[in-house]
Amino acid sequence: QLVESGGGLVQPGGSLRLSCVASGIIFSDHYMDWVRQAPGKGLEWVGRSRNKATSYTTDYAASVKGRFTISRDGSKDSLYLEMSSVKAEDTAVYFCASRSGRHRNAIDIWGQGTMVTVSS
Amino acid sequence: SVLTQPPSLSVAPGQTARITCGGISIGSQGVHWYQQKPGRAPVLVVYDDTDRPSGIPERFSGSNSGNTATLTITRVETGDEADYYCQVWDIATSDHPEVFGTGTQVTVL
Repeated sequence: QLVESGGGLVQPGGSLRLSCVASGIIFSDHYMDWVRQAPGKGLEWVGRSRNKATSYTTDYAASVKGRFTISRDGSKDSLYLEMSSVKAEDTAVYFCASRSGRHRNAIDIWGQGTMVTVSS
Repeated sequence: SVLTQPPSLSVAPGQTARITCGGISIGSQGVHWYQQKPGRAPVLVVYDDTDRPSGIPERFSGSNSGNTATLTITRVETGDEADYYCQVWDIATSDHPEVFGTGTQVTVL
């Protein structure tokens, strides 16, 4: 199970940190992703934190690279998304997601999402 | 990668819905399909082109060849009304992004 928090209203150019707490999985074994969905739009991958075996390296979508940072705290089984220099187009529901490994590399674990609104 | 899906599809109950996902040489990649109902997180319905997670009805099936992957829903039910997205892991691009299709809204008449 994945539970996100931290969404809310943020001004353009501002910062916000989203959190995702994982349960029922061995957190260090799993790739963890952030996926977002703007209102009325489709799914967009934001980035990922790879697992311990791959040194928790991170990858990002071109649209957020240099502005967003993904990190983890293994002691809390938590994944974070630090959003900075936010823009109106970052307004979206942000989902935390992962792979159980039962379905190859398909994303089969999703949180309920947390809404981020960028507006002055 | 760009994955193109038809924006919408209407189908009568009991009929068959076929949702396409077009991309260059998509047949060489494993394609996953997700169902998303309003206000809910996506649910995996087909993975690795043709496999179904447990709990997903056999009415859902997938295929993938050349430049097109297809999700087929037979004997469509009103509960199948949702948005559907295809997805691949683009290992050919820097940062190996997950790429989602543009999405198809399925309406059951």
